[in-house]
Amino acid sequence: DTAVSQTPKYLVTQMGNDKSIKCEQNLGHDTMYWYKQDSKKFLKIMFSYNNKELIINETVPNRFSPKSPDKAHLNLHINSLELGDSAVYFCASSQEDTSGYEQYFGPGTRLTVT
Amino acid sequence: AQTVTQSQPEMSVQEAETVTLSCTYDTSESDYYLFWYKQPPSRQMILVIRQEAYKQQNATENRFSVNFQKAAKSFSLKISDSQLGDAAMYFCAFISSGSARQLTFGSGTQLTVLP
Repeated sequence: DTAVSQTPKYLVTQMGNDKSIKCEQNLGHDTMYWYKQDSKKFLKIMFSYNNKELIINETVPNRFSPKSPDKAHLNLHINSLELGDSAVYFCASSQEDTSGYEQYFGPGTRLTVT
Repeated sequence: AQTVTQSQPEMSVQEAETVTLSCTYDTSESDYYLFWYKQPPSRQMILVIRQEAYKQQNATENRFSVNFQKAAKSFSLKISDSQLGDAAMYFCAFISSGSARQLTFGSGTQLTVLP
């Protein structure tokens, strides 16, 4: 009964490869997010989708492409991986037009690029 | 653009004592929400407490309470009766009730609880 789940939890890959991280939420939320946490633990928004529509697209290399097949899923595909992409990637979800604006986070995916 | 500043990279507290973590923010918005998230070594982001800007009353959740000073744009977290399980990285975060629902995080405070 995990609220926000991500797969895989750990991902080790070589430079130049293409990889995907999947996110699913069973909270019935209509907005989902991707955040990146760097080696200094700093968290920054990458993307946000509301009802499958992209609403936030921060300055992120276009090698990163989010895909939302439905409201419950938001996947992150990364092409031509670089060393600097090593980080922890968090998926989160929230419900628009609620008083709390709370975001519920997945467990994170630690991506290591070698 | 909003900014969130946590000026204490590290803090320590003796078990059962009280500790206060500082957070200041900068925004031109009038309607917003502030949060404290906890990230233990498991790296899961856990919501600790939430404060609505329009509420004057400080939020409280069991041993966790905030001191929200809207005019000073200050939002500190007080942990009473600290427990070993409170050891974690604590992030202050801001969200505007405007159109973009992105959380803006501070740089975090690493809290150590000493037995």
